[in-house]
Amino acid sequence: AQSVTQLGSHVSVSEGALVLLRCNYSSSVPPYLFWYVQYPNQGLQLLLKYTTGATLVKGINGFEAEFKKSETSFHLTKPSAHMSDAAEYFCAVSDRNFGNEKLTFGTGTRLTIIP
Amino acid sequence: DGGITQSPKYLFRKEGQNVTLSCEQNLNHDAMYWYRQDPGQGLRLIYYSQIVNDFQKGDIAEGYSVSREKKESFPLTVTSAQKNPTAFYLCASSVDGGGLGYGYTFGSGTRLTVV
Repeated sequence: AQSVTQLGSHVSVSEGALVLLRCNYSSSVPPYLFWYVQYPNQGLQLLLKYTTGATLVKGINGFEAEFKKSETSFHLTKPSAHMSDAAEYFCAVSDRNFGNEKLTFGTGTRLTIIP
Repeated sequence: DGGITQSPKYLFRKEGQNVTLSCEQNLNHDAMYWYRQDPGQGLRLIYYSQIVNDFQKGDIAEGYSVSREKKESFPLTVTSAQKNPTAFYLCASSVDGGGLGYGYTFGSGTRLTVV
């Protein structure tokens, strides 16, 4: 069964600094990988996903993530943090198995932006 | 616009009462899910349904019940057997149950508080 680990439950960065949120996965086959963002008292919104093809994936709000098979990682980055990026971020993994397969979510990383 | 509607946004329950949380989607998705979210614990799967009139228990199904009589609807009942129901509840849906990399679409959540 697949699993995902998010390193750091809380991350703080200064406004304008690099954002790096870490995600490592465990899967027996090349997985599908996702990053979601959650603002307070709201549902989760898809930021980006890796399914196939280019390993550097660009998403909404200037975020991107790189799939590194050798490191089993899918870290989320943004070159310059904005105050509006403050939220909780979830990494998720799904096996390439049509039907009856669920996403497995990490425990989340809360991102705080320091003015 | 297509999406998932959860209602109500806030719900208060007296101890010993059953309450039902509504989840409706107009995305024509086959699969639907219920998650519970507590601070610092990420998302925990309660129940999921891949098809009408069929559903499976997730990791924390005790004290909860669901039905899937229509493709569009997947209501969750929090019964009096659930000893600690105060939490944020999220409903989600997907085209393919996660097997083809489409990911999930989430509702905006229901915050349940026991009073």
